[in-house]
Amino acid sequence: DIQMTQSPSSLSASVGDRVTITCRASQSISNYLNWYQQKPGKAPKLLIFAASSLQSGVPSRFSGSGSGTDFTLTISSLQPEDFASYHCQQSYSTTWTFGQGTKVEIK
Amino acid sequence: QVQLVQSGAEVKKPGASVKVSCKASGYTFTNYYMHWVRQAPGQGLEWMGLINPSYGSTNYAQKFLGRVTMTWDTSTSTLYMELSSLRSEDTAVFYCARAPSSTSPMDVWGQGTTVTVSS
Repeated sequence: DIQMTQSPSSLSASVGDRVTITCRASQSISNYLNWYQQKPGKAPKLLIFAASSLQSGVPSRFSGSGSGTDFTLTISSLQPEDFASYHCQQSYSTTWTFGQGTKVEIK
Repeated sequence: QVQLVQSGAEVKKPGASVKVSCKASGYTFTNYYMHWVRQAPGQGLEWMGLINPSYGSTNYAQKFLGRVTMTWDTSTSTLYMELSSLRSEDTAVFYCARAPSSTSPMDVWGQGTTVTVSS
């Protein structure tokens, strides 16, 4: 299986901060990388697909980049509603895998 | 609107099986794959497998091979995930989520079903 490693596992930030989360694959996955946001007690929500494409309805402060093995999710200016967990996930292989998640907390 | 509605919470004893349902509405059922994802308390997301209702094909994560079965009922647009030989470590929230193809992201999720395994 392809292993997905996210970092950091958690971070503290303030409203207005620029936040960057990274995700590394154990082998090349081209651009088959998706990002999800999850709030406590809720189902995940798709934010970014194909590494850099913004899902419809997602604010433009979210962006994704990368290809191959290294990927980044950036929130340009953190808003109160962005405090949540973020998960990367690869859809390159026939068996999918997620990163371990990153929890974004209020500083 | 597009919706995936899952069955209610379950409490099971170790060694038992659980069958979770996911009823789809608002779209053509057979045009989408359905994935199942598990999340243990305080943990990350874990992909369990997928089913293609159009062809009846399935693909399971190695970890769950032999314990998981994914099925569907076209007449009711309902998918099912059955997990057998339950142990306490299987206590989790289980989600269904649809995807347009085998490489597309999961764009609509069910609300989740909590399964508690306890003696």
